[in-house]
Amino acid sequence: DQQVKQNSPSLSVQEGRISILNCDYTNSMFDYFLWYKKYPAEGPTFLISISSIKDKNEDGRFTVFLNKSAKHLSLHIVPSQPGDSAVYFCAASSPGNAGNMLTFGGGTRLMVKP
Amino acid sequence: KAGVTQTPRYLIKTRGQQVTLSCSPISGHRSVSWYQQTPGQGLQFLFEYFSETQRNKGNFPGRFSGRQFSNSRSEMNVSTLELGDSALYLCASSRRDSSYEQYFGPGTRLTVT
Repeated sequence: DQQVKQNSPSLSVQEGRISILNCDYTNSMFDYFLWYKKYPAEGPTFLISISSIKDKNEDGRFTVFLNKSAKHLSLHIVPSQPGDSAVYFCAASSPGNAGNMLTFGGGTRLMVKP
Repeated sequence: KAGVTQTPRYLIKTRGQQVTLSCSPISGHRSVSWYQQTPGQGLQFLFEYFSETQRNKGNFPGRFSGRQFSNSRSEMNVSTLELGDSALYLCASSRRDSSYEQYFGPGTRLTVT
């Protein structure tokens, strides 16, 4: 049972345009959400996070939106750059975990064309 | 500050053998988590250690085990290797007790033949 889903395995965007990556979750106990970026042969790199008490968090070109009623979050990258080409994972955690345990989506491969 | 380091980076083992992977967290980080990444299953949580105690365990068979040392370094062990254990094993560390923002190492690529 996949509790965190990224339904688009890939996304192609032109440089300078907006990239929108989507993520859905089923566990209503999740209260913290994160986005990671992963290049080949490297570990995931933390990008941005959002607590369930917020509906938006912004950091430079990256903005994460959370719609709790729809159990949906999205990552917006504006403007997209070729260096943003990577696999993006959304992840979630719940307060029931005694510690650090993240549930990841399957990832979306973003390709930004020059 | 040095990042999370994992050794070895690449490993080839034969079915039935056992393997030990090592992870050194970022200095000052006390929590270490392990994840398995495969093309079919994505990133899956294995277990997490904090102050030498296992706090969380994912849905993996008992062949997968781990430990953490007093200096926060961690090892994971897989016994009786199966072909399906071929994967990228990622270690992540966190600064605080419950810090969701985990910092990942480059991973160990294990191939079982």
